[in-house]
Amino acid sequence: EAGVAQSPRYKIIEKRQSVAFWCNPISGHATLYWYQQILGQGPKLLIQFQNNGVVDDSQLPKDRFSAERLKGVDSTLKIQPAKLEDSAVYLCASSFGATTNEKLFFGSGTQLSVL
Amino acid sequence: AQTVTQSQPEMSVQEAETVTLSCTYDTSESDYYLFWYKQPPSRQMILVIRQEAYKQQNATENRFSVNFQKAAKSFSLKISDSQLGDAAMYFCAYRSVETSGSRLTFGEGTQLTVNP
Repeated sequence: EAGVAQSPRYKIIEKRQSVAFWCNPISGHATLYWYQQILGQGPKLLIQFQNNGVVDDSQLPKDRFSAERLKGVDSTLKIQPAKLEDSAVYLCASSFGATTNEKLFFGSGTQLSVL
Repeated sequence: AQTVTQSQPEMSVQEAETVTLSCTYDTSESDYYLFWYKQPPSRQMILVIRQEAYKQQNATENRFSVNFQKAAKSFSLKISDSQLGDAAMYFCAYRSVETSGSRLTFGEGTQLTVNP
């Protein structure tokens, strides 16, 4: 079974530039999550999709971050413009459903460095 | 809001020995799930073990077991017969049952080193 695919693996940009990350969840998984993991901290949920609808985006900085999941399959997370504090690993995860006991499967993340 | 605290930034253990990682959490809810995730250098978070709060019996998965103390809001992970492949960052996480579509809340992590 293929896992959660993410690209790119690394990205280096200058502040005020734009960047986009891509995630392809496990086939058949209806729920998709984007987490931000700052160095030395645990992951923090940015946004959760159920199919192509947003379930929770309360911790997404909407002035600069946006995410979409067209057709309820793969997803793109964008930052525009980037700030130094956006340097982090961006993890994508998916699960079959959205119930609380669902197992989440994580990708290997995109490490973003903002200079 | 729920919080998860891991008070040990780093731990080390000798191969084949046993180590315990600590986690405490704060919640006013009575029903929830607790998890331990492992994050190796590949960055991929891997579920190690899961505990349902309404179950009194501590969860066990092969060499991994938990000590769940609901009244004390404590959830420690014991790794027996430690192996070199156990070296990684370990995160404790909380997920509410009562909130629809609730998020996983992670602690700050504990870096585990296994010495040969």
